[in-house]
Amino acid sequence: QLQLKETGPGLVKPSQTLSLTCTVSGVSIRRGDYSWSWVRQPPTKGLEWIGFIYYGGNTFYNPSLNSRVTMSIERSKNQISLTLTSVTVADTAVYFCARVGSSSTYYYYSLDVWGQGTTVTVSS
Amino acid sequence: QSALTQPPSASGAPGQSVTISCTGSSSDIGAYIYVSWYQQRPGNAPALIIYEFNKRPSGVPDRFSGSRSGNTATLTVSGLQAEDEADYYCSSFAGSHTLVFGGGTTLTVL
Repeated sequence: QLQLKETGPGLVKPSQTLSLTCTVSGVSIRRGDYSWSWVRQPPTKGLEWIGFIYYGGNTFYNPSLNSRVTMSIERSKNQISLTLTSVTVADTAVYFCARVGSSSTYYYYSLDVWGQGTTVTVSS
Repeated sequence: QSALTQPPSASGAPGQSVTISCTGSSSDIGAYIYVSWYQQRPGNAPALIIYEFNKRPSGVPDRFSGSRSGNTATLTVSGLQAEDEADYYCSSFAGSHTLVFGGGTTLTVL
C-alpha cells in the first residue's frame, strides 16, 4: 500500500532556504508513472497548492510561489523533494506531499494519497 | 488564480442532509470536470472524498455526493453522522497545470 512521509528541519530562519523530502513506500517510483504534488496549510488556515511534478520530471508551480519553489524526483531514493527559497514568516505551515490521482490515460487532478505532513516554522 | 469561495461554516443535526457550495469561475470549475472534495479531521491530513465532481473513491460512503452547475460545485452529505464533523475543502483544476483550493468549510453536527 502506497504511503508517504514528509520530513524536514522543523525550524528555518527568515531569508534561508527550506528543503523538504517526501519518502514514498509501498511502491517504486521508478516502476510507476506516478505524479506528485505539494500542498501547505498555514496555522488555522486553509490549504494552498504549491505545485505538481509529473512522472517525467516536468514541474508546474503556483504562480504566487513560482520564483521561489523547486520540486524534483529522486528515483533512486524513492523520494520527492521540495525547496523553497527566501522564506518569510508567511511560509510557516504544515507541508503535505500527495499523489496525483490518475487513470492509465489521464489525470483526475485530485490528490488521492497524502502524507501526514511536516510542520515548518520560520522564525529567527 | 483566485481561491474558490466556500461558506466558512455549515451545520446539521444527525440524520439530516447538508450541502456545501464551492464557487469558482469559468476558468476553473466552469471549465473542467476536475473538481475534488477533501475531508480533514483535526490533526489529520486531508482525505479525498469526491473527484471529477461526482465520483467517490473506493471506501467513501455513498452518503457523500457531489454535483456541479455552471461555476459552482456542491458537496452533499446525507444522513449526517457525528463522525462527519470536520473541515471540507474543494479544489479545481484551473488550467495550465495549476490547482486551486477553496477556503474550507467547517461542518458541525449538532
